[in-house]
Amino acid sequence: ETGVTQSPTHLIKTRGQQVTLRCSSQSGHNTVSWYQQALGQGPQFIFQYYREEENGRGNFPPRFSGLQFPNYSSELNVNALELDDSALYLCASSFRSSGRAEEQFFGPGTRLTVL
Amino acid sequence: DAKTTQPTSMDCAEGRAANLPCNHSTISGNEYVYWYRQIHSQGPQYIIHGLKNNETNEMASLIITEDRKSSTLILPHATLRDTAVYYCIVRYNFNKFYFGSGTKLNVKP
Repeated sequence: ETGVTQSPTHLIKTRGQQVTLRCSSQSGHNTVSWYQQALGQGPQFIFQYYREEENGRGNFPPRFSGLQFPNYSSELNVNALELDDSALYLCASSFRSSGRAEEQFFGPGTRLTVL
Repeated sequence: DAKTTQPTSMDCAEGRAANLPCNHSTISGNEYVYWYRQIHSQGPQYIIHGLKNNETNEMASLIITEDRKSSTLILPHATLRDTAVYYCIVRYNFNKFYFGSGTKLNVKP
């Protein structure tokens, strides 16, 4: 069973640029969630994708967007980068079935630094 | 959405039980309590979850009070490798997972 993987591991960008982060779900999972974790803080929910559609969003502006592909992998795109976007970006996958609680399995994260 | 309150940090002696409390006084009837831990900026690791009843697995036990307003995660025999930040999460609906600031557990030899 392959776990959740993310790429790249580290990334450095400058203010105003755009970035794309990638996530491969754990085998058999159909749902992907993205989180932002600033230094010393808990992860903050960005959004979730289920069946290739956004299915819930946290308090993040529209310049944070995403995609989910038919193989359930996902991308997080951030436009017009700001210094405060510097953080660890975590992807979590899970299997959704009606009526059941589901645990999320997290990837190792992508460390984004905005200069 | 229900929020959680946890102590900022706790110490525990190696080999002893670690009891990590969490307050979620605004929890509603269909919200689950989840516990995750995060070791040194790795991805969070799932530990256990529950709704009403106490739960136990190979990692830990989860004790939920009858009124569901608080819970305790118990690591029965803490080791140095259990040093981490532990997050108590109340899950609202299927698509919202809210982490707080967590408890930094320091296991000492």
